[in-house]
Amino acid sequence: QSLLTQPPSVSGAPGQRVTISCTGSSSNIGANYDVHWYQHLPGTAPKLLIYGDNNRPSGVPDRFSGSKSGASASLAITGLQAEDEADYHCQSYDSSLSDVVFGGGTKLTVV
Amino acid sequence: QLQLQESGPGLVKPSETLSLTCTVSGGSISSHSYYWGWIRQPPGKGLEWIGSIYYSGSTYHNASLKSRVTISVDTSKNQFSLRLNSVTAGDTAVYYCARHVVTLRFLEWVLTESYFDNWGQGSLVTVSS
Repeated sequence: QSLLTQPPSVSGAPGQRVTISCTGSSSNIGANYDVHWYQHLPGTAPKLLIYGDNNRPSGVPDRFSGSKSGASASLAITGLQAEDEADYHCQSYDSSLSDVVFGGGTKLTVV
Repeated sequence: QLQLQESGPGLVKPSETLSLTCTVSGGSISSHSYYWGWIRQPPGKGLEWIGSIYYSGSTYHNASLKSRVTISVDTSKNQFSLRLNSVTAGDTAVYYCARHVVTLRFLEWVLTESYFDNWGQGSLVTVSS
């Protein structure tokens, strides 16, 4: 059981906006530790999408954005495209374990 | 362009030791700015951080795996390695290596802001007799 909880799946139509939540607790996101997001197509290398809550690495479109409030964080994708269909993982740090922790992952389907 | 590639046996017997190597190209593993990490994903589950190593040999480990994990680095080959002993079927997973961006604060590396900015494609390791 992951310390960071993500919905197993979300879906949206092309052009729509979707959000993926990542819910933690007072020992991780709620302690204001940074949240990072990764995009992962099975069989390929995961890709860093958002770091430090809301920063995009070079080359990541501004359709992707991150936010954080309290013990939860969210990834928003606007102008949904077929190529966005992938698994998305959040990551933070947990002080009770002194470990880097990941969410369980969310599968995004573009319908 | 930085590239990481995992290599090692795809099948390991229960109770034996899983060994993987990550070869880094397009950059030096001796960079002062990065750790180098291992992450795994069991079938149908989320990602799990295993541990990370600095070029000097300093390591961080996942507390739940620490007793079974050894991470080492070979700067002459630009490689780092993972050994996980006493494996069970629960260790069946895709194993990834990645560059770990870690913050240096007051002369100490801290994981609280850390993240992985370059990953390998992963290596499936199955534990079965």
